[in-house]
Amino acid sequence: SQTIHQWPATLVQPVGSPLSLECTVEGTSNPNLYWYRQAAGRGLQLLFYSVGIGQISSEVPQNLSASRPQDRQFILSSKKLLLSDSGFYLCAWRPGTGVKGLAGTYEQYFGPGTRLTVT
Amino acid sequence: QKEVEQDPGPLSVPEGAIVSLNCTYSNSAFQYFMWYRQYSRKGPELLMYTYSSGNKEDGRFTAQVDKSSKYISLFIRDSQPSDSATYLCASLRNTDKLIFGTGTRLQVFP
Repeated sequence: SQTIHQWPATLVQPVGSPLSLECTVEGTSNPNLYWYRQAAGRGLQLLFYSVGIGQISSEVPQNLSASRPQDRQFILSSKKLLLSDSGFYLCAWRPGTGVKGLAGTYEQYFGPGTRLTVT
Repeated sequence: QKEVEQDPGPLSVPEGAIVSLNCTYSNSAFQYFMWYRQYSRKGPELLMYTYSSGNKEDGRFTAQVDKSSKYISLFIRDSQPSDSATYLCASLRNTDKLIFGTGTRLQVFP
């Protein structure tokens, strides 16, 4: 079965410090990967998605960036954090193109999340 | 206008009640709809996945889509305290973009 991991679970960082959040998926190959941010009362906001190694699509202009150095690894980074970067960051995956999913083709499965507080 | 709208609640019901959670969407091109359950400080968990109009049942959960009115619903029968969570509806804008509602917080009290 497939498993998605995120770390760290909780992070407190000062303004202006760098950020690196990691997401890995086990039990599947060539998944589509996603980074979301969830702020209170605002739902989930898609930040980046990737359909393959080195392929990143950005949804929202901001001081965050994403990279996919390996097939099942997705990293969210920032060079200098802002107070507004605080939130709950979620990684998700779905079966890649041509792979039948567990319940369909486009369903996304989420990781446990990283709670980031920028002070 | 938001593409997917959802009443934030909270919705408070007694154990055993039938719960109705609802969302509306604005884009008539949406065809795939999902419901997620999110416990406090956890990642969302996929509950139901439906395509186009109609009903889909899974145990105590029924998802319903009415494309004519752009209305999606999740019904929970025999609700339990363990169902207390935030429920998120989502519609698929394209193959990689899920549009989420803001979530409805449900509390089921014993």
